[in-house]
Amino acid sequence: EPEVTQTPSHQVTQMGQEVILRCVPISNHLYFYWYRQILGQKVEFLVSFYNNEISEKSEIFDDQFSVERPDGSNFTLKIRSTKLEDSAMYFCASRRDRPGEKLFFGSGTQLSVL
Amino acid sequence: RKEVEQDPGPFNVPEGATVAFNCTYSNSASQSFFWYRQDCRKEPKLLMSVYSSGNEDGRFTAQLNRASQYISLLIRDSKLSDSATYLCVVIRGSQGNLIFGKGTKLSVKP
Repeated sequence: EPEVTQTPSHQVTQMGQEVILRCVPISNHLYFYWYRQILGQKVEFLVSFYNNEISEKSEIFDDQFSVERPDGSNFTLKIRSTKLEDSAMYFCASRRDRPGEKLFFGSGTQLSVL
Repeated sequence: RKEVEQDPGPFNVPEGATVAFNCTYSNSASQSFFWYRQDCRKEPKLLMSVYSSGNEDGRFTAQLNRASQYISLLIRDSKLSDSATYLCVVIRGSQGNLIFGKGTKLSVKP
């Protein structure tokens, strides 16, 4: 089965630093998403991306966050100035077409902000 | 009211038991429903979609009651490998954003 690939699997950073989390969605997919999961809590929607622009974002996705698809294959999530509360598992996901179709998740990047 | 609510459990059951999980959702306009499974520190994985008529996949049966905004998952003949957290998921909006419940933890014991 095709896979969504995320790197790195673990990222440790100091508070206030910028981090970029990288994802390679499945090649013929059109819809891209970032979710996060704080330890012990539910998976939360951050942002969806379609046709080279953000299609929807949650209230979590404030000005500190940005997404890019710079080269048609990578899909990145940038956190400009990390806070302790940004520590979480970040999942990238992609879907080929219609909303009812299967969403493929990457294995996640565990971000630890110290 | 939370968009998707689940009993957090944990449910501790012996092998071979039948166990049922429930979920309610608040947005009556929701159109698509799923059960996902999540193992510790791993990504969610699709277990099955939930259809209005109810559907079965081996030992797993999912039901949807739109009038009550209620979704259920039944697992028959539980295996040790069924131990995981089961996530009730609803699609919101035209972009297909998944809204997750907090999950119900299942532990199947020998």
